[in-house]
Amino acid sequence: KAGVTQTPRYLIKTRGQQVTLSCSPISGHRSVSWYQQTPGQGLQFLFEYFSETQRNKGNFPGRFSGRQFSNSRSEMNVSTLELGDSALYLCASSPIGDTQYFGPGTRLTVL
Amino acid sequence: QKEVEQNSGPLSVPEGAIASLNCTYSDRGSQSFFWYRQYSGKSPELIMSIYSNGDKEDGRFTAQLNKASQYVSLLIRDSQPSDSATYLCAVIKKSSGDKLTFGTGTRLAVRP
Repeated sequence: KAGVTQTPRYLIKTRGQQVTLSCSPISGHRSVSWYQQTPGQGLQFLFEYFSETQRNKGNFPGRFSGRQFSNSRSEMNVSTLELGDSALYLCASSPIGDTQYFGPGTRLTVL
Repeated sequence: QKEVEQNSGPLSVPEGAIASLNCTYSDRGSQSFFWYRQYSGKSPELIMSIYSNGDKEDGRFTAQLNKASQYVSLLIRDSQPSDSATYLCAVIKKSSGDKLTFGTGTRLAVRP
């Protein structure tokens, strides 16, 4: 099976802009979770979607949002970018159970 | 107190030795435990999952779980230089759906 794919792999944006990241889960996986990884904070949970519904949300401001489509693909959006949003954004997919498999990530740099 | 704690390292071991990585967690409601390996500049890769007290072996890797002590460990036998990476411990609590809570990771360096 193909693994989790994320696009784009790299992004450079400026403060105040918005960005949309995309994730395609492993075929048959219906749960998609998003994480942010920074050197200072480590890996932090953003949100989780299952069957197009947000099941769980981390402690991030409302500028961070996401959605899931009927084919399980997911997008996350960050509006009004701040310098501190520079990070590796990771998507993980899971079958019904809790084992999660990560994609390669999107490296976002905010200037 | 952090929910999941790991020694940041680096843990340095010679090639062929056993590397022992440790993790403690604070929430007794934690039910699922995972070890991920992350090479520099790459995404985390699942190595092991463990759900019950005791040992679980997979090749050179053994995960150990002690729920009474709120402790999970990963042993890597016959360590190779290619095992040099950051090892992340992650847990899922019953109350949090499938949200993974990660430790900060332990950096392992295997000396040739």
